[in-house]
Amino acid sequence: DSGVTQTPKHLITATGQRVTLRCSPRSGDLSVYWYQQSLDQGLQFLIQYYNGEERAKGNILERFSAQQFPDLHSELNLSSLELGDSALYFCASSVGLAGGAHNEQFFGPGTRLTVL
Amino acid sequence: AQTVTQSQPEMSVQEAETVTLSCTYDTSESDYYLFWYKQPPSRQMILVIRQEAYKQQNATENRFSVNFQKAAKSFSLKISDSQLGDAAMYFCARGPKYSGGGADGLTFGKGTHLIIQP
Repeated sequence: DSGVTQTPKHLITATGQRVTLRCSPRSGDLSVYWYQQSLDQGLQFLIQYYNGEERAKGNILERFSAQQFPDLHSELNLSSLELGDSALYFCASSVGLAGGAHNEQFFGPGTRLTVL
Repeated sequence: AQTVTQSQPEMSVQEAETVTLSCTYDTSESDYYLFWYKQPPSRQMILVIRQEAYKQQNATENRFSVNFQKAAKSFSLKISDSQLGDAAMYFCARGPKYSGGGADGLTFGKGTHLIIQP
């Protein structure tokens, strides 16, 4: 158990719909990262938040957005869903910003999204 | 683009034997971190080992060790005395040493599926 929690574990929805994925980082971690794992794209970094502020963006679609709340939990919002958005979405957390001798990222168990 | 390449989609090894998984990467940075993550059937991402690029000494963690060749941009993982529990997908990843520049996330390879033959 990494200490990072994600809800829900599984989500099944239809094309065109909107969903929200939730992540709670490890106690004391200020950074939250979102990743998408799909069969064709592999594991891709989407976005990072640090202490409530957006810090870095990766291959995140405009239909996707995220935020980090004052209690440091984060939500990833996916809208106008397409079949290709079906994937495993991971949240990871770290103590601080990228790098640093002990600033490794701890991954949550992921949310499996299926778009029908 | 900074990429990570794992050229072996699948590897198979006999239990108790040694296996080496390959990884090469491309980066314009002089300092960075390299990682190997394990993803068992449970889908949990588990950090196996980490290497700082400025350190010449290869990292080791029990039965896991790396061969880091900075000039060649190569970062292979050696698993000694393979066990059935080592069966998983293994991902090589690169991460920045310093924050900023919009590249704080990890860049992953496509993964190598490791099969352990009993």
